[in-house]
Amino acid sequence: QKEVEQDPGPLSVPEGAIVSLNCTYSNSAFQYFMWYRQYSRKGPELLMYTYSSGNKEDGRFTAQVDKSSKYISLFIRDSQPSDSATYLCAKANAGGTSYGKLTFGQGTILTVHP
Amino acid sequence: SQTIHQWPATLVQPVGSPLSLECTVEGTSNPNLYWYRQAAGRGLQLLFYSVGIGQISSEVPQNLSASRPQDRQFILSSKKLLLSDSGFYLCAWTPSPADTQYFGPGTRLTVL
Repeated sequence: QKEVEQDPGPLSVPEGAIVSLNCTYSNSAFQYFMWYRQYSRKGPELLMYTYSSGNKEDGRFTAQVDKSSKYISLFIRDSQPSDSATYLCAKANAGGTSYGKLTFGQGTILTVHP
Repeated sequence: SQTIHQWPATLVQPVGSPLSLECTVEGTSNPNLYWYRQAAGRGLQLLFYSVGIGQISSEVPQNLSASRPQDRQFILSSKKLLLSDSGFYLCAWTPSPADTQYFGPGTRLTVL
């Protein structure tokens, strides 16, 4: 079993739709979570970063973490064509020999069409 | 503000040739540095990380190596490239292990 599982998609939605991107993870050591957005042929850029369970909002983006079910989600409201990219979830361990190392999901390819 | 640079941006090399990719970070000191590889349609695979000058940890056995000759410089090398070394190579930095990582623009390597 991979440490972080992410549905690769592709996912295609119309402009204005609510997008839900999801990941599951194993290894319950205390950790924190990130979502990155990667445009084609570019390096990933950080979107959201959270330690705890619950929701965290930033503009049109909401990151949700459910540690009891080991599930992390990213919601995009009012999606725009400029949101078309690959979205990567990642977790980092905050202790032990794996301290600070990130484990990434495979990435979900999202296309928002006008 | 901090910035991270990688070069070259693209590289086409024959099988068996050497490789040297460079990453530098500006605006910070003593960062943790990371090299990742991203194959087409896949997530990021951690190759090496460094917590200081001359300190390199390898995550995946392969024909690549890394070096950190200066505080803000991280180099990825190979003596003889394989076809399987093709991919998108990303350098990342973080101010501390407990912080998020910030990525450079990447180098796209094609081995023919």
